[in-house]
Amino acid sequence: QKEVEQDPGPLSVPEGAIVSLNCTYSNSAFQYFMWYRQYSRKGPELLMYTYSSGNKEDGRFTAQVDKSSKYISLFIRDSQPSDSATYLCAMSAESDNDMRFGAGTRLTVKP
Amino acid sequence: DAGITQSPRHKVTETGTPVTLRCHQTENHRYMYWYRQDPGHGLRLIHYSYGVKDTDKGEVSDGYSVSRSKTEDFLLTLESATSSQTSVYFCAISEGLAVWEQFFGPGTRLTVL
Repeated sequence: QKEVEQDPGPLSVPEGAIVSLNCTYSNSAFQYFMWYRQYSRKGPELLMYTYSSGNKEDGRFTAQVDKSSKYISLFIRDSQPSDSATYLCAMSAESDNDMRFGAGTRLTVKP
Repeated sequence: DAGITQSPRHKVTETGTPVTLRCHQTENHRYMYWYRQDPGHGLRLIHYSYGVKDTDKGEVSDGYSVSRSKTEDFLLTLESATSSQTSVYFCAISEGLAVWEQFFGPGTRLTVL
C-alpha cells in the first residue's frame, strides 16, 4: 500500500463548477500537507500548504486537512479553464527532507 | 521556473550507457533535490543535497549517484542506464528547512532503449 493515495482521474468539469480533489495517507507522522499544480510538460508549482489540521483559504482555493481521518482535500471555487492541470498532493513529517507525493489528479475545466 | 535550468531537456540513450543530468540554479538556495516522475507513482525522491558535497539518499536511490561541487550545480548520474530508468526527471530547490516549499525545474525527459 502506498503512503499517499490519490485518484488519478481524469476529472472533467464545466467552467464555474466547484472542484473537490482528495488524498488519503497512512503515515500518522505527516504534519505538512501541500498541494502542487503541474501544467502539461512543466514542473510542479506550490499552490498551498497547511501545517497540521485545519483549513486554509487563498482566493478561490481552500485546503482542508483532517488528521483523524488521514484525509486532505483541495477545493476550487468558480473553476476556470486556466485551472486545467494535474494537481499533486504532497506530505512530509516534521523532521523529514523527503516529501511523499500522490500520483496526481488530472483536471480539465471546459469553457 | 524560479531560476532553475535542467540540461539536457530530452535524451534518448541505450541500455548500459552512462548518463549525466545537470541542474543549475541562480537562487543560491541551500537544498537541491532530484525526483523522478512516472505514471501512477507521482514524484519520488532520488537524492538530495543540503550543501556543497553534502548529499543523502531518497526513496528510490538505487542505480543513481549525485554530486554537488558548487552551490549552483547538482548532477545526477546513471552509471549504467536501464529501461526502468526511463522517466521524467525533475530538479528542485528550497531555502532553509522549508522542505515543503520547493521550486521545480522544467524537467528532463529520458528514454532508455
